[in-house]
Amino acid sequence: ETGVTQSPTHLIKTRGQQVTLRCSSQSGHNTVSWYQQALGQGPQFIFQYYREEENGRGNFPPRFSGLQFPNYSSELNVNALELDDSALYLCASSLGPGALAEAFFGQGTRLTVV
Amino acid sequence: TQLLEQSPQFLSIQEGENLTVYCNSSSVFSSLQWYRQEPGEGPVLLVTVVTGGEVKKLKRLTFQFGDARKDSSLHITAAQPGDTGLYLCAGPPGSGNTGKLIFGQGTTLQVKP
Repeated sequence: ETGVTQSPTHLIKTRGQQVTLRCSSQSGHNTVSWYQQALGQGPQFIFQYYREEENGRGNFPPRFSGLQFPNYSSELNVNALELDDSALYLCASSLGPGALAEAFFGQGTRLTVV
Repeated sequence: TQLLEQSPQFLSIQEGENLTVYCNSSSVFSSLQWYRQEPGEGPVLLVTVVTGGEVKKLKRLTFQFGDARKDSSLHITAAQPGDTGLYLCAGPPGSGNTGKLIFGQGTTLQVKP
């Protein structure tokens, strides 16, 4: 139990649609990072938010966007869904943006695009 | 682009056997982390190694960071079925200390009773 919860746990969307995934961080954690994990692969960094501002972005197109709110919750939005977006999406919260701040992962949202 | 290569990708052993998982890169990492991920769950941090040559032990698990900080290994002694899972190494790219983590592709470990 990491104290980080994601919703929904599973989701099926149609190609071209938009989706919003939600993450509730541990209380007091001002940093949240989002990752995409394809089947059989390690997670890939999408972006990080620190104190409600984007603080680094991986190699993902602009149709992947995010928000972080003052109440320790955050969102990942994906527009114009493609079949390759099917993956497990993980959020991780931490006390700070540095690599040595332990990241606590949620259980993930399994997104299937058909 | 910094990459982390893990080997083997899949390992199936009997309870009581020892095993080693490797995490290699051609680039220097300021630190490396090891995670274990079980089906339907997110990764859980096992250890962070920071100093070249560092060795850390966590019960039956021994983690080592290479002297040049380009590689790491995870050794499990007397594996148990509860050790089954996906083992991931990860580290921040570049020489900085950013929160962005690069992950290896993972090693799936199955320990049979």
